[in-house]
Amino acid sequence: GESVGLHLPTLSVQEGDNSIINCAYSNSASDYFIWYKQESGKGPQFIIDIRSNMDKRQGQRVTVLLNKTVKHLSLQIAATQPGDSAVYFCAEYGGYNKLIFGAGTRLAVHP
Amino acid sequence: EAQVTQNPRYLITVTGKKLTVTCSQNMNHEYMSWYRQDPGLGLRQIYYSMNVEVTDKGDVPEGYKVSRKEKRNFPLILESPSPNQTSLYFCASSLRGRASREQYFGPGTRLTVT
Repeated sequence: GESVGLHLPTLSVQEGDNSIINCAYSNSASDYFIWYKQESGKGPQFIIDIRSNMDKRQGQRVTVLLNKTVKHLSLQIAATQPGDSAVYFCAEYGGYNKLIFGAGTRLAVHP
Repeated sequence: EAQVTQNPRYLITVTGKKLTVTCSQNMNHEYMSWYRQDPGLGLRQIYYSMNVEVTDKGDVPEGYKVSRKEKRNFPLILESPSPNQTSLYFCASSLRGRASREQYFGPGTRLTVT
């Protein structure tokens, strides 16, 4: 499969701990944000999204927080599992249908 | 199975030799898009298409062309590839662009231009 050898910031966590992945976005006019997960050799996969009229949204084991004042997003993963090991990207819609990705954070889960 | 397919998955070519990377989706999605992924830069949008015969530039369109003659297909064309187009390319589709929650990504095409 395909993967990209990225020199990314890495978050290392123990299995079962909670993970928090942070992202700063660039466009104060962006009103829709998405978190993606990219496993080695695969394309990005949608995790959760949030619109700018919300501060928090919860999914299954994941929570996204949005702080528009400081243009900051975070993804919280509860009870992190080995299968959560991947690269995580935040993305914002800058312009009507142009999706802008952040550089990504690698999550490494250790048993 | 609902999916986005890309071909070829791997391609090594020489500078200036025209190539096409195909993308096809079987979900009847209106919106399709091409991205390139480079180390440390995340994914950058090349072109997107809101529907048949409707395409628009993303952030890095220089050196690329696209066409959308059918809803299911969105080929990426490099008329005269250069080494700086060596990258990992992803095609994606969604039902209606930003109005849709999810973009579905293909498996990627690794292109090397020598």
